[in-house]
Amino acid sequence: DAKTTQPNSMESNEEEPVHLPCNHSTISGTDYIHWYRQLPSQGPEYVIHGLTSNVNNRMASLAIAEDRKSSTLILHRATLRDAAVYYCILRDHGKNFVFGPGTRLSVLP
Amino acid sequence: NAGVTQTPKFRVLKTGQSMTLLCAQDMNHEYMYWYRQDPGMGLRLIHYSVGEGTTAKGEVPDGYNVSRLKKQNFLLGLESAAPSQTSVYFCASSFRGVPYNEQFFGPGTRLTVL
Repeated sequence: DAKTTQPNSMESNEEEPVHLPCNHSTISGTDYIHWYRQLPSQGPEYVIHGLTSNVNNRMASLAIAEDRKSSTLILHRATLRDAAVYYCILRDHGKNFVFGPGTRLSVLP
Repeated sequence: NAGVTQTPKFRVLKTGQSMTLLCAQDMNHEYMYWYRQDPGMGLRLIHYSVGEGTTAKGEVPDGYNVSRLKKQNFLLGLESAAPSQTSVYFCASSFRGVPYNEQFFGPGTRLTVL
């Protein structure tokens, strides 16, 4: 299974954009890139996913490198509520998710 | 809709005791999953089910059993609890056939085995 590498932790100031990187150099052509986040004392929640093209939704944007070996989750204006652990996960159709340790994002007021 | 609910929220067991964790979902999802999360780590898949009456092993199935007698419920059993099973347990569910397989998670059960 392809693996992902994320920084252990990041900090951001409130109301500023945040770019969370993920490296996945062994990604296969059929792996989807998923992002989930886990707020303190809660279960994970879906953020966004993509395959090849950049994606936007109400929560975030996903920028995928042209060679697909890396991606970046973009929070356009961080709020205190965005403080969480963010997981970048590769998943091929029909296979299960494999969660790594993720990136712990702290948002400073 | 309540989404995914888990019972109980907290539990303390002694080594060797047994217990069952209940997961229920009201979204008519075909797929259900049990994960465990140890401190500072990501989630690891214990068992999962792709439909009523089916179960399959995940990454860390030893010491656990599961049953899916009804589509909306997925039970996780510990027959003889061990301190190594101290963890937070999360249940999740998803639709079948959705390419990106968005999973909806419950709030978790914090289990301590003494």
